[in-house]
Amino acid sequence: RKEVEQDPGPFNVPEGATVAFNCTYSNSASQSFFWYRQDCRKEPKLLMSVYSSGNEDGRFTAQLNRASQYISLLIRDSKLSDSATYLCVVGPGLLKDMRFGAGTRLTVKP
Amino acid sequence: GAGVSQSPSNKVTEKGKDVELRCDPISGHTALYWYRQRLGQGLEFLIYFQGNSAPDKSGLPSDRFSAERTGESVSTLTIQRTQQEDSAVYLCASSLWVTSGPEQFFGPGTRLTVL
Repeated sequence: RKEVEQDPGPFNVPEGATVAFNCTYSNSASQSFFWYRQDCRKEPKLLMSVYSSGNEDGRFTAQLNRASQYISLLIRDSKLSDSATYLCVVGPGLLKDMRFGAGTRLTVKP
Repeated sequence: GAGVSQSPSNKVTEKGKDVELRCDPISGHTALYWYRQRLGQGLEFLIYFQGNSAPDKSGLPSDRFSAERTGESVSTLTIQRTQQEDSAVYLCASSLWVTSGPEQFFGPGTRLTVL
């Protein structure tokens, strides 16, 4: 079993739609959780950290479920510019020990 | 300010040749990481440097892979006797320190193709 698993997609949604991605992790000792965004042939960039109580940044909401060992990312009112691959990143604390999921590809269409 | 830079951006080589990839981290970042990203797969940790401490080489897939870093500056990743399975994007990242925040900043990567 992979340490971090994501549905690869692709998710194809119309502009304005709400879309949600889940990511499961196997290490119950994980303490740090992030969502990164990676555009085609570009480097990953931090989208948001995920906090225990859940957190929101504009149209993006991240949640953590420790009991079931998954994190989620919800995107409301999708924009064309949201088209990218979303990487789930999980680790026990040190950045060097972070583990990356393979990513979920999102395409937002007009 | 300048971000993480990597060179070359693309490298095509023949099987059996050695290649050297370069990473310039963000100035002042003490931690530097190398990852490999194969097509359709997640980032695979290769090696990590923190200041003058011994590097964490636990992710290097074989002894054909090695990396060096001088102090808190440039790092080079060397792959000897390249194989076709080494074809991937090699990403370098840096961070202020190795604890869980702030985040890692990635370079644009070197796309390696081994023919």
